[in-house]
Formats: sequence, structure tokens, C-alpha cells
Amino acid sequence: KAGVTQTPRYLIKTRGQQVTLSCSPISGHRSVSWYQQTPGQGLQFLFEYFSETQRNKGNFPGRFSGRQFSNSRSEMNVSTLELGDSALYLCASSLLNEQYFGPGTRLTVT
Amino acid sequence: AQSVTQLDSQVPVFEEAPVELRCNYSSSVSVYLFWYVQYPNQGLQLLLKYLSGSTLVKGINGFEAEFNKSQTSFHLRKPSVHISDTAEYFCAVTLNQAGTALIFGKGTTLSVSS
Repeated sequence: KAGVTQTPRYLIKTRGQQVTLSCSPISGHRSVSWYQQTPGQGLQFLFEYFSETQRNKGNFPGRFSGRQFSNSRSEMNVSTLELGDSALYLCASSLLNEQYFGPGTRLTVT
Repeated sequence: AQSVTQLDSQVPVFEEAPVELRCNYSSSVSVYLFWYVQYPNQGLQLLLKYLSGSTLVKGINGFEAEFNKSQTSFHLRKPSVHISDTAEYFCAVTLNQAGTALIFGKGTTLSVSS
């Protein structure tokens, strides 16, 4: 079975731009979560989607948003990028209280 | 609110030695506990989890952890480490039995040398 895939793997954007990251979960998994990983703040939970509905939300500003499609694929969007948004963004799909993480998208904001 | 403290940021150890990575959590209600491992340039992989039942939990790659409610701890142990265990280890907690919406500790870098 294929694992969680994330595209793109690397991205460079300029401050003020917006960005969309994509995540394809493992087949059959209906929950998709997003996390931000930075050297300073570590791993932080952004939000979780289940059956196209946001089920849980972390403590991030409204510039961070997401959605989930009927095939469980998910996207997250960051508008008005700031330098501090530079991070590894990890997506995870889950089944039966286990999360399976993708390799992440490395976003660099210049 | 829940929080997780990993007491050691770095743990150096020689191959075949035992290791313990310490994790304490803070919560006023029952939580579910997890340990994940992250190898360089990869995502996270679940090592083990505690949801309920036996307080001694066995995971993959020979790791185990013990849930101690009175001390609010969930320390990870391995009796004999290998070079390939070199990685970053994260302890995580959630109120969600589905194992999502995880609150992570800052991580512990385990360095195994020969």
C-alpha cells in the first residue's frame, strides 16, 4: 500500500505571497492532519480534517487554512507569507489511533 | 491544556548499551500517549502508544515504554541500542482517542556510536 505523499517536497516563496501544499493520504484513511515543524517551536499541530470537515484545530492564525476533498486528499494554504512560516510541513493520515506521516514539504520564505 | 516535556535534548550512548529517553506530561484529564521516531529527512514513524490497559507498552524495533500516572511520565527504553537507532525521538500526548491532534515534546536526539 502506498504511503502518505506530499507535494511539492520543496518550495521557495517570497514574503507576502501565498502557498498551497497538497497531501494524499493512505488509501482508506479518512482523517488527515497537518503539523508544522521548526527548529525553534518544534512540532505543532495545525488542524485535522475528517470526511471533509475540520475536526480539530491548533493555535495558528487565520492565515493558515485547509480543506479536504471527497477522496480524502487535503490541501493547506498559507496566505500572506511571513519569514517565520519557513518550516517543514508534515501531513499525516490516520486509521485506528495510529498516524502515518508523509515526508513533508520544506517551505522556505525569503 | 496539555503539555509534554522531554527532559533531555540530546542523549549520546554507545552501541549495545541500554538507553532511556524521558518524557513527562501535564494534563488534568486522562490522555493518550505516543512515541514517534524521525530519521533524517523523513517523516515521523510511530514506535508505540498507550491508550489504556497494561502500563508497560511494547513497540517496534525493541523499544518499550512505561506509563506512570502518579509521576505523569511515559519514559522510552531499549535494553541494547544499535547504530541504526540514531534519530530524533518525540513524545506526544492527545485527548483524542483517534490519536490525532497530537501535542509533541521538543524531541530528544539519540546518538549511538561504536
